[in-house]
Amino acid sequence: GAVVSQHPSWVICKSGTSVKIECRSLDFQATTMFWYRQFPKQSLMLMATSNEGSKATYEQGVEKDKFLINHASLTLSTLTVTSAHPEDSSFYICSARASLGTRFYEQYFGPGTRLTVT
Amino acid sequence: AQSVSQHNHHVILSEAASLELGCNYSYGGTVNLFWYVQYPGQHLQLLLKYFSGDPLVKGIKGFEAEFIKSKFSFNLRKPSVQWSDTAEYFCAVKGAAGNKLTFGGGTRVLVKP
Repeated sequence: GAVVSQHPSWVICKSGTSVKIECRSLDFQATTMFWYRQFPKQSLMLMATSNEGSKATYEQGVEKDKFLINHASLTLSTLTVTSAHPEDSSFYICSARASLGTRFYEQYFGPGTRLTVT
Repeated sequence: AQSVSQHNHHVILSEAASLELGCNYSYGGTVNLFWYVQYPGQHLQLLLKYFSGDPLVKGIKGFEAEFIKSKFSFNLRKPSVQWSDTAEYFCAVKGAAGNKLTFGGGTRVLVKP
């Protein structure tokens, strides 16, 4: 199946610093990528929808200045958590939706990035 | 706004038992429905999906789901589970014309060998 990678898989940072998480679609092009947040023992909550070459669309309650999203190419989207605080500690999952081909419109998920802010 | 409700948070059963996980959704239009599975330590994988046509959908690994429009339900079933089916299962819905996938709270399934 299609592969979506995330880097890093696990990161610890100090409060007040910024962390960048990368999401790559390895074998398909993705015009649209999605960023989710998953709290322990809870479901995935959509944070934002990232479209290649344009500004991301954020869900209600998600601070766009805190969670910066850049989707500069058809295979890469990044999420930067700025001025991280302990309450930002969570599991961040990206998803990429195939733009064309036999996988058109299928949505594939990355393995997630666990962020711990100390 | 669309929403998804999964009735069971935890299910424990023995190998060879039958499994049924409930999923109800709320949405005022045509929907696309999905079941995803997340095995321990792994990423979400698509089990099956319904877009249109036959409301009984067959997916991978022997799973099937039935879309009952009148009940706004999309329950997942497997006749005989294996230990390897231990995982968390998520139901999700997307408006047919929309972009946003909304997930249910998930059901953790533990299959005892």
